[in-house]
Amino acid sequence: GAVVSQHPSRVICKSGTSVKIECRSLDFQATTMFWYRQFPKQSLMLMATSNEGSKATYEQGVEKDKFLINHASLTLSTLTVTSAHPEDSSFYICSARGASGGSNEQFFGPGTRLTVL
Amino acid sequence: DAKTTQPPSMDCAEGRAANLPCNHSTISGNEYVYWYRQIHSQGPQYIIHGLKNNETNEMASLIITEDRKSSTLILPHATLRDTAVYYCIVTLYNQGGKLIFGQGTELSVKP
Repeated sequence: GAVVSQHPSRVICKSGTSVKIECRSLDFQATTMFWYRQFPKQSLMLMATSNEGSKATYEQGVEKDKFLINHASLTLSTLTVTSAHPEDSSFYICSARGASGGSNEQFFGPGTRLTVL
Repeated sequence: DAKTTQPPSMDCAEGRAANLPCNHSTISGNEYVYWYRQIHSQGPQYIIHGLKNNETNEMASLIITEDRKSSTLILPHATLRDTAVYYCIVTLYNQGGKLIFGQGTELSVKP
C-alpha cells in the first residue's frame, strides 16, 4: 500500500508554545488529507479535512484558530497546534487519500504523540 | 453516515479463524463498508471494503449479508500480530472520503 509519514513521531513542549506536525504522502499524490486526534483508550476523532490548495474544513467543535492546517502541495499537509496546553496532549494522526475516484481508501501515518507540559 | 455497532472485545485462539461482526442496519444503498485496524500506538491500517458482494484479499474476507444490514470480517488464521482494535466504518464513497470511527472491537489473539 501507499506510504504516509509523519514528523515528528513524538514531541514534548511547554504550555503556550506552538507545535507543527507534518504529514507527507511518500509515493502518491494526496488530493485530500485528514487529521485525527486520539485520546488514550478512545477512538479516533476526525478534526478536519484538507484539500490541496484550499482552506481546511473543520469538524464541529474543533477550533480552526487553534489547529491551523495547511495543505500547500499534493504531498504535504501540516497541522500547527497554537498556544498548546496540557489538554491538547494527544495522539495526532493524519491520513491521505489519493486522486483515484472510486475508493475511500485512506492511508494513515504512524501518528505523532504530543505531550504538553 | 450510517452508524455501526461492534462488540467491544473478542478473544481468538492463535491459528483459528477470527470472525468479527458489525451491525449497520441503517446503511443506505450507496454506502460502502470499510474495515480498518489499529495496532497499539500506530496509525490505522486498511484491511478491506465492499458494497454488496463478498470480498477477499490477502489479509481477510468480508461477508456482507444480502440485506446489507450487517457484515463479518474474517481473519482466516489469526496470529498474535493480529491483536488490534478493528473498526467497521460505513461511508459514502463520494462524500470526500470522510471516515468516522466508532469504538471498534478489541481483538485479542491468544496462544
